[in-house]
Amino acid sequence: AQSVTQLDSHVSVSEGTPVLLRCNYSSSYSPSLFWYVQHPNKGLQLLLKYTSAATLVKGINGFEAEFKKSETSFHLTKPSAHMSDAAEYFCVVTPSGYSTLTFGKGTMLLVSP
Amino acid sequence: DVKVTQSSRYLVKRTGEKVFLECVQDMDHENMFWYRQDPGLGLRLIYFSYDVKMKEKGDIPEGYSVSREKKERFSLILESASTNQTSMYLCASSFPREAGELFFGEGSRLTVL
Repeated sequence: AQSVTQLDSHVSVSEGTPVLLRCNYSSSYSPSLFWYVQHPNKGLQLLLKYTSAATLVKGINGFEAEFKKSETSFHLTKPSAHMSDAAEYFCVVTPSGYSTLTFGKGTMLLVSP
Repeated sequence: DVKVTQSSRYLVKRTGEKVFLECVQDMDHENMFWYRQDPGLGLRLIYFSYDVKMKEKGDIPEGYSVSREKKERFSLILESASTNQTSMYLCASSFPREAGELFFGEGSRLTVL
């Protein structure tokens, strides 16, 4: 069985400050982990993925995430927030080799000028 | 540019009506999925399909059925709509070897009165 917990339902930052969106997971297998982003009234878009290669994963738009097995975490970070980063972010886990995903409940990122 | 198209962005139906939600992808993906998205609950898998004429139940299939007669098209059917099926419905597709890398449509927001 697998599960994912996004520790914050909302995160507010100022433009130009760092972003940290937290995600913890549990999985019976060596997992694959993903972050997706959803802008208002849009579908979800893949930001980045971890599939047992490098533990630090770089994605689109300057985001990155680090897989920490000992902490069962996959937190999403960005050094400097931009107004266009305001969106909802979903952490996702799947056992390697399977196609059925488990989504977290989402974290809404608010960016103020 | 790859695309998953959901035919209706907004629908309003009455209780007891039969509802069809259509999804078409142009990427020759074998896998297709229907999710339901509700605030605070994240995405929940309704049904998925690995191939034409194949379907598998997801986590919340009750009250829904699906049809996949052609590879590029995956339809979600609500046989008798109820108010608790008011939601955002998201279609997605992927290759089997790229587990977790889903391409999403922009969603169909269904209101059942």
